[in-house]
Amino acid sequence: SQKIEQNSEALNIQEGKTATLTCNYTNYSPAYLQWYRQDPGRGPVFLLLIRENEKEKRKERLKVTFDTTLKQSLFHITASQPADSATYLCALDDTNAGKSTFGDGTTLTVKP
Amino acid sequence: GAVVSQHPSRVICKSGTSVKIECRSLDFQATTMFWYRQFPKKSLMLMATSNEGSKATYEQGVEKDKFLINHASLTLSTLTVTSAHPEDSSFYICSASGPTDTQYFGPGTRLTVL
Repeated sequence: SQKIEQNSEALNIQEGKTATLTCNYTNYSPAYLQWYRQDPGRGPVFLLLIRENEKEKRKERLKVTFDTTLKQSLFHITASQPADSATYLCALDDTNAGKSTFGDGTTLTVKP
Repeated sequence: GAVVSQHPSRVICKSGTSVKIECRSLDFQATTMFWYRQFPKKSLMLMATSNEGSKATYEQGVEKDKFLINHASLTLSTLTVTSAHPEDSSFYICSASGPTDTQYFGPGTRLTVL
């Protein structure tokens, strides 16, 4: 069956360090993968989209990698700040489905 | 750009009543809108996908007569929870996509059924 796993439910790091979040999937043929940020009681906010033929995408302090052989995406936040504390969701868009399926999210806490 | 609004942000209703939630794309035309439900500390569960002018496609296990979706224009979709019961209490979020593949989410509606 199809499955999306985000590495851990919670991740705590010190300010200034790089946060690395993992998204693994099985039994998908994703056309692309997206990462979102969600704050408590709010809707998700789009961060980055990476397509199956792209290895890496960057946006300011954010970097996403996509390895279709390993069936994994890594999401990095460099020089992390307390304001980066939030839940981060990965979403897969299956080639055939035309819709996104979301992982359960990883809640990141950046301590000052 | 790419702003999606939802109204109301919070609603409390009595069991048995119906509640309508609106989702609007404010600065782009949304060919497709999605409705999600989210439980505490859980991810988004897709309820249905709607395309402007056509019937919504519901996910397995979602009752179409319970959750009525109307996508009458390229900027507005509505979700009506009919005869709401306490188990329908949840956080409902809509999203809209336009010419790109990205979904833009609304701020969500917290529904509490007493």
